[in-house]
Amino acid sequence: AQSVTQPDIHITVSEGASLELRCNYSYGATPYLFWYVQSPGQGLQLLLKYFSGDTLVQGIKGFEAEFKRSQSSFNLRKPSVHWSDAAEYFCAVGGTGTASKLTFGTGTRLQVTL
Amino acid sequence: GAVVSQHPSRVICKSGTSVKIECRSLDFQATTMFWYRQFPKKSLMLMATSNEGSKATYEQGVEKDKFLINHASLTLSTLTVTSAHPEDSSFYICSASQDYNSPLHFGNGTRLTVT
Repeated sequence: AQSVTQPDIHITVSEGASLELRCNYSYGATPYLFWYVQSPGQGLQLLLKYFSGDTLVQGIKGFEAEFKRSQSSFNLRKPSVHWSDAAEYFCAVGGTGTASKLTFGTGTRLQVTL
Repeated sequence: GAVVSQHPSRVICKSGTSVKIECRSLDFQATTMFWYRQFPKKSLMLMATSNEGSKATYEQGVEKDKFLINHASLTLSTLTVTSAHPEDSSFYICSASQDYNSPLHFGNGTRLTVT
């Protein structure tokens, strides 16, 4: 069975500081990996995805993530956080095809201090 | 870009009544839509996969008679919570994709409160 672990429930960073959100996955085959962001009371917005190829993927809003097969990780990074980045971030894993059903991690709430 | 619209965004109903939530793909056709439930400060739990023109596929532990899903057209899937109880109060989110290799787009969710 596939699963996703986001070990950090809540992270606080200062505006302008760098950010790394951790994600570990378990999947029996080559995973499709995603990062989504959710603002309060809203749906989810796709930040980036990894299917194959270059293990460092670029997403929207200046985010990037690196797939490390040996560590079963797909950590999300941003070099300089903005106050508007405060939200809930979800890592997800799916099977073949982006429209396959996804398994989400429990999320990491990011708080940004000014 | 692709947009998924969910309606209503917020609904309050009395215990024992039924509530229908709509999920529409506005600018693309979606043969498959997914329904998720999100508990407070928790992750999204997949409830079911809605397939246009056929029966929905429910995840283990989800009561199909309580959570009725109808995917009558390529742009509309509905989730009906029947005989709602307070424990059904939650945030329900749908997602849809144009095809198997296109990104999933999520609706903005529906906050259901059962009193």
